[in-house]
Amino acid sequence: TAGITQAPTSQILAAGRSMTLRCTQDMRHNAMYWYRQDLGLGLRLIHYSNTAGTTGKGEVPDGYSVSRANTDDFPLTLASAVPSQTSVYFCASSDSGYEQFFGPGTRLTVL
Amino acid sequence: DQQVKQNSPSLSVQEGRISILNCDYTNSMFDYFLWYKKYPAEGPTFLISISSIKDKNEDGRFTVFLNKSAKHLSLHIVPSQPGDSAVYFCAAAGGSSYKLIFGSGTRLLVRP
Repeated sequence: TAGITQAPTSQILAAGRSMTLRCTQDMRHNAMYWYRQDLGLGLRLIHYSNTAGTTGKGEVPDGYSVSRANTDDFPLTLASAVPSQTSVYFCASSDSGYEQFFGPGTRLTVL
Repeated sequence: DQQVKQNSPSLSVQEGRISILNCDYTNSMFDYFLWYKKYPAEGPTFLISISSIKDKNEDGRFTVFLNKSAKHLSLHIVPSQPGDSAVYFCAAAGGSSYKLIFGSGTRLLVRP
């Protein structure tokens, strides 16, 4: 079982460009989450989805959008990237509980 | 304002000794707490959790203690092993939400 996969592994992006970070899970979990990890700040929730067809805003949603067309996929889009969005991005999923399972992360650098 | 705080950015202990990682929270609505472990270039992995109806939960070498009156929890690792060297995040959740609020992490180094 792959669990959660994220793509790409890393990316360098010019400021002002758009990008979609992909996340796919094969555990049929209802809930999915996007976090960013920054030194000294831990993991901060960007957006979440409790079930397919619904999404919600986390702590730091500005500059990001998500969609949840089906159970397995939860892409995160940066419409116009800025340098402050340089971070490591983690996707996670959970199944009607508190424990979340994380993907390997995407390291994004915005120049 | 951070609702979950890990005030020690790093901790170094000798192999075989006890590691104690601390976490404080401010929101009295939190009723479930988790510890995650993260190795470099990997995603966090779940380690151990505790509900607010308990004050201790043990799993092998790992024990989490919860002091609700002090809004404080700690993770004890005994005995510490070099493979335990990682960043440890505490997280909290509560009310009607399963969303987790994470602390900033503590980097543990276990010296051989």
